[in-house]
Amino acid sequence: QVHLQESGPGLVKPSETLSLTCTVSDASIHDYSWAWIRQPPGKGLEWVSSVSYSGSTNHSPSLKSRVSISLDTSNNQFSLRLTSVTAADTAVYYCARHASGDWAFDVWGQGTMVPVSS
Amino acid sequence: DIQMTQSPSSVSASVGDRVTITCRASQGIGTWLAWYQQKPGTAPKLLIYAASTLQSGVPSRFSGSGSGTEFTLTITSLQPEDFATYYCQQANNFPRTFGQGTKVE
Repeated sequence: QVHLQESGPGLVKPSETLSLTCTVSDASIHDYSWAWIRQPPGKGLEWVSSVSYSGSTNHSPSLKSRVSISLDTSNNQFSLRLTSVTAADTAVYYCARHASGDWAFDVWGQGTMVPVSS
Repeated sequence: DIQMTQSPSSVSASVGDRVTITCRASQGIGTWLAWYQQKPGTAPKLLIYAASTLQSGVPSRFSGSGSGTEFTLTITSLQPEDFATYYCQQANNFPRTFGQGTKVE
């Protein structure tokens, strides 16, 4: 059964860079596209960024200038970097898999809460 | 960007009720629509994709319909474990966008 696990810092200071990694188990990074989705406390879901198995990327227009996503095929992981964070970036960050055919996000990690605070 | 609008924002229902949630897209998306269920403190769970295809393992009391700009999620005979927040999401193009959510309480 495919499993995704997010890892990263428990707290990030304003103006610093948020870095998260998603470790994929029982599926190959090479076979799917992957995504980051976030959810501010008490609010809805916001797609952040996606990377295909070939390394092509797409980003939320509102975050495009600050976000990057990459694959680490040797470790079967993918990562998110978000620069110049503010309190508005405080959220639970989920990593997820694009389903075959790209109809939906069919597998999700448990999520990791990232507060932005000094 | 394609805007996704769900209605209602919340619905009060009882066990055994039939519940219908609507999702409207700001432009046509064919059947590139998914529905998710989220319970507090947990990740969203995929229920339906391609507007009407039930994800493996999802009970048959969940169903989806629609195409173009208007879609519905129906729960026939609401069960205690179905009290949750439901989101629609368009997969027609990037940026992927979600509805604001409908809480079934």
